[in-house]
Amino acid sequence: AQTVTQSQPEMSVQEAETVTLSCTYDTSESNYYLFWYKQPPSRQMILVIRQEAYKQQNATENRFSVNFQKAAKSFSLKISDSQLGDTAMYFCAFISGNTPLVFGKGTRLSVIA
Amino acid sequence: ETGVTQTPRHLVMGMTNKKSLKCEQHLGHNAMYWYKQSAKKPLELMFVYNFKEQTENNSVPSRFSPECPNSSHLFLHLHTLQPEDSALYLCASSQGGLNTEAFFGQGTRLTVV
Repeated sequence: AQTVTQSQPEMSVQEAETVTLSCTYDTSESNYYLFWYKQPPSRQMILVIRQEAYKQQNATENRFSVNFQKAAKSFSLKISDSQLGDTAMYFCAFISGNTPLVFGKGTRLSVIA
Repeated sequence: ETGVTQTPRHLVMGMTNKKSLKCEQHLGHNAMYWYKQSAKKPLELMFVYNFKEQTENNSVPSRFSPECPNSSHLFLHLHTLQPEDSALYLCASSQGGLNTEAFFGQGTRLTVV
């Protein structure tokens, strides 16, 4: 079974600084997708960024980028120029074949002014 | 706004009550999901419907009963719940299959008393 591990329950970062959230996963599949979702206090789960496993190039979306290390099964999220609105729970998620999304336990990120 | 709407946003019910959660999407998606989000636990997939057919039931107790009358609507019928069932229940939808971003509703915060 696929598993996703987020080893940092909580993190904090100063506004305008950079922070990296860690995620590792376990799978025997070769074709899969990885996602980072953000859940702010409003509870709405919002997709931040996604990475196709067959692509070697790391995905980027404005201030958000990933470091995808397929051999190490690692998928970290880097947030640059952190903003107060980035305060939220961040979930790493995995999908392959016909298996629906599997989520990690989440990392609570606080951006401090 | 992701296009997935859940009602009610909050629900308090006694252990002998019967209630239903509703989820609606008009994104043209084929698959709909129920997830349970409890404190300090990963999101737990409960049910998956693909083209209105239930394709997954992750050992969910029978006191939770899903219904998918059409591809735009999903219900979760609740009866004789336990206090440990108190959680945030999230509905999501996607096109289905690999490479499918899931769009989430804002959830129903359920409290069983």
